[in-house]
Amino acid sequence: ETGVTQTPRHLVMGMTNKKSLKCEQHLGHNAMYWYKQSAKKPLELMFVYNFKEQTENNSVPSRFSPECPNSSHLFLHLHTLQPEDSALYLCASSQDRGGNVRSGNTIYFGEGSWLTVV
Amino acid sequence: AQSVAQPEDQVNVAEGNPLTVKCTYSVSGNPYLFWYVQYPNRGLQFLLKYITGDNLVKGSYGFEAEFNKSQTSFHLKKPSALVSDSALYFCAVSALPGGYGGSQGNLIFGKGTKLSVKP
Repeated sequence: ETGVTQTPRHLVMGMTNKKSLKCEQHLGHNAMYWYKQSAKKPLELMFVYNFKEQTENNSVPSRFSPECPNSSHLFLHLHTLQPEDSALYLCASSQDRGGNVRSGNTIYFGEGSWLTVV
Repeated sequence: AQSVAQPEDQVNVAEGNPLTVKCTYSVSGNPYLFWYVQYPNRGLQFLLKYITGDNLVKGSYGFEAEFNKSQTSFHLKKPSALVSDSALYFCAVSALPGGYGGSQGNLIFGKGTKLSVKP
C-alpha cells in the first residue's frame, strides 16, 4: 500500500468511448502527476498539478483531459483514444515545496491503470 | 540537457551473489537521484534516493546505491541477491523546472533494467 490508489486497475475501451481514470492520494501531498508507461519506451510525464493548478502539460494530445478538483484527487478523462494509447497509466504524488528549484522530495506511485483501446 | 542512462537492458545474477544495476546521469548543478523498482503488473516502488551527504545511500530490501560525482554514476547494489529481487529497476533524476518534464518535483527516468535472479 503506497498511499496512492488508482481505479480501475484494468480498462478496455473502444475508440469512440469516453471513460475516466481516477487517482486518490492519502499522503497529504500537494502535487499529483500522470505518467504513461508503454512497452519499450521510457516513462513519460503527461501532466503535473500543484495545489490543484496544472503546472505541466507535456504536449499531451487533447483526447487526454486531466482534472484535479482538490489536492487529493486526480482524474484523467479519456475520449476518442487510439490503439497506440494502450498503456499503463501511473498516478503519483509528492510534497512540493514550491518555487523554481529542483526538488528532492520523493514521488510515490499508485499501482497503475492498465488501459487497452480496441 | 538532463538525462539518465541505464546501459543494461537486463542483468542476470545467481541467487546469493552480489548484484549491480548501473545508472549514469547528466544534469546541471547538484543532482537528486532516485531508484525505483517495479514488480510485474505493479506500480513503481521507491527504493532509495541521494540528495546530499554520504555518498553511500541505504534503502529498502537491503539495497544500497553509491553516488559518484566524478563518474556521474549512481549504481544500485545489493550484497546478496534473492530470487524475489527479480523485477524492473528504474533510475531517475529530479528535473529542473523549465526542462523536459521540468516541473519541480518531477523525475526524468531511465529506460529501466530488468533484473533476473536465478536460484
